Formats: sequence, structure tokens, C-alpha cells
Amino acid sequence: DTEVTQTPKHLVMGMTNKKSLKCEQHMGHRAMYWYKQKAKKPPELMFVYSYEKLSINESVPSRFSPECPNSSLLNLHLHALQPEDSALYLCASSYSFLRVYSTDTQYFGPGTRLTVL
Amino acid sequence: GESVGLHLPTLSVQEGDNSIINCAYSNSASDYFIWYKQESGKGPQFIIDIRSNMDKRQGQRVTVLLNKTVKHLSLQIAATQPGDSAVYFCAENHSGGSNYKLTFGKGTLLTVNP
Repeated sequence: DTEVTQTPKHLVMGMTNKKSLKCEQHMGHRAMYWYKQKAKKPPELMFVYSYEKLSINESVPSRFSPECPNSSLLNLHLHALQPEDSALYLCASSYSFLRVYSTDTQYFGPGTRLTVL
Repeated sequence: GESVGLHLPTLSVQEGDNSIINCAYSNSASDYFIWYKQESGKGPQFIIDIRSNMDKRQGQRVTVLLNKTVKHLSLQIAATQPGDSAVYFCAENHSGGSNYKLTFGKGTLLTVNP
């Protein structure tokens, strides 16, 4: 089973709202990722968690706040977003994340389509 | 800078034909390559990967070829079906160094005509 699940599928929020995106995997993967994807573009890395600790933050604005409650779950808390933050937000996981041997396949979830009004 | 790109942004084929999607990369240190398929409204789906110690790998109806000499990667889909219509991304990574993340190509839109 190589399934990563994400909820919700779609989310519409105003610029003053607070919402959260959720991601779950039960493959025993210890690395989890958040990506942002704009239409007709490849995914862009936002955050990497390795063994439940934040390893990488790709200079993402603080209005995006990731959280990894346990090895199977990954959240992305959203607050005071801008319309240009509207995009498909993808979660991915891989067996591990090691800078010196980063050849573990990343498996993606279906994404959350976010619209900021 | 280091990049992974595609020769053709769109590809249209007839059902039953073979498809070839190409990808060029510039980082000679890249040692791991992945092809992903992304259907409209869905997340990228892993298709096949290849490590730099191989030049060919086959899956079900798909073959990935790696030519390290010219830094070129291709995905061949045999007997293309309408369900193969999607955007295909190549991605690369390499062990060591500071490039810890997957670098994606721009994507090729494959359209299969019935």
C-alpha cells in the first residue's frame, strides 16, 4: 500500500480565516513533505519533516505553519493567507530523508485544492 | 544553475501507439531519477524510477532509459491508452551535497486520441 491521504479535498477560505490541512500515511515512512503546486507548474517544496522534527523550511511565510503530531500525521495550519496562496497543496512521504543518501521514493497524496478569497 | 527540463511541453498520440517523453538534466551528479504521472485534479503518481548505475528499467508497459553521457532521460509508454492522458514530470535527486530535494522538470502534457 503506497497511499497518502489528504483532507479536505477542497477548501475555500477568506483572508482572515484560520484553517488546517491534514495528511496521513500508514506506510511506516519517517519523512513527510508539504509541497505547493500552481496550475501547470511542477510541485514546489515547502517543508520537510524527518522523524517528526522539522528538517527543512524553504523560506515559507509564517502564515503557513506545519505540525507533525506523530509519525503518521502531518498538518499545515493556515492563517491570514493571501489570494496568491491559492494552489494545490500536496503532501508526500518517503521511507527516510537523509541528505547524504536522498534516493527514497516520495509518494504523493491527492492534494487539497485551496482557494483564498 | 542545476535544472531538469523537458524537450516537448505537449505530446499528442493515437491510442495504441507508443509514446516517448523526454527529459534533460544538467546536474552530472544526479544519481536518482523518477517519473511521475499527474492526472487532472490529482496528486503526482509514482510510475517508475531508475538509479544512475542502470541505463534501462522496465515496468508494466513503461520503460525508462537513462543516458548519462548526454544527461538525458526518457519514458516510453507502450500501447498508449486514453487513461495515460496526463502531465508527466521527471524528477531528479543526488546523494550527498546540499541538493537534498527532488528537482522537477516542467512537465509534458500527454494527450491520447481515441
